[in-house]
Amino acid sequence: DTEVTQTPKHLVMGMTNKKSLKCEQHMGHRAMYWYKQKAKKPPELMFVYSYEKLSINESVPSRFSPECPNSSLLNLHLHALQPEDSALYLCASSPQEGYSNQPQHFGDGTRLSIL
Amino acid sequence: GEDVEQSLFLSVREGDSSVINCTYTDSSSTYLYWYKQEPGAGLQLLTYIFSNMDMKQDQRLTVLLNKKDKHLSLRIADTQTGDSAIYFCAERNLNAGNMLTFGGGTRLMVKP
Repeated sequence: DTEVTQTPKHLVMGMTNKKSLKCEQHMGHRAMYWYKQKAKKPPELMFVYSYEKLSINESVPSRFSPECPNSSLLNLHLHALQPEDSALYLCASSPQEGYSNQPQHFGDGTRLSIL
Repeated sequence: GEDVEQSLFLSVREGDSSVINCTYTDSSSTYLYWYKQEPGAGLQLLTYIFSNMDMKQDQRLTVLLNKKDKHLSLRIADTQTGDSAIYFCAERNLNAGNMLTFGGGTRLMVKP
């Protein structure tokens, strides 16, 4: 069982819809991450939040908008997505950002399909 | 830049040992990780090793690190059908802001 919980598990949306992905952890971790994973590929980093502030944006298009309301929650707001945005979106957390002896723990992901 | 490579596929018989290999290029790597991903699931952290170690054992898992050759391996003893999954190695190094760099993943198929 994962200690990082993501909802929903599956999401199908049209290109004009607005939806949000949610991630929650109660391990007291202060760094949280969004990754995108295409089929048969490794995860690609999108965003990093450290102490509820955005610290890394890997040149992600503005149709993806992250939000960290508090230290346990991480959201990813989606608007006007394209079919190529269909992927598995993974959330991860670690005690702190940038400390290499603290591994990232991943959720089970949200499988997103854009029609 | 950083580069982490793995072979794409490995097939073994149930009960045999599996060895999944990974090579990396950046000598600034600090920690190296092995993650397992089952179909439809996220990444499960299996084990990790600090770069000044050369071996770590955890039950059926043995990690070997050859820092000179920049080669990492994961040995799974007595492989079971439940071990069938994709295995990703990942490195963390200072040159990448301590972010993870993943290999492409190795699909392990265990035949009964």
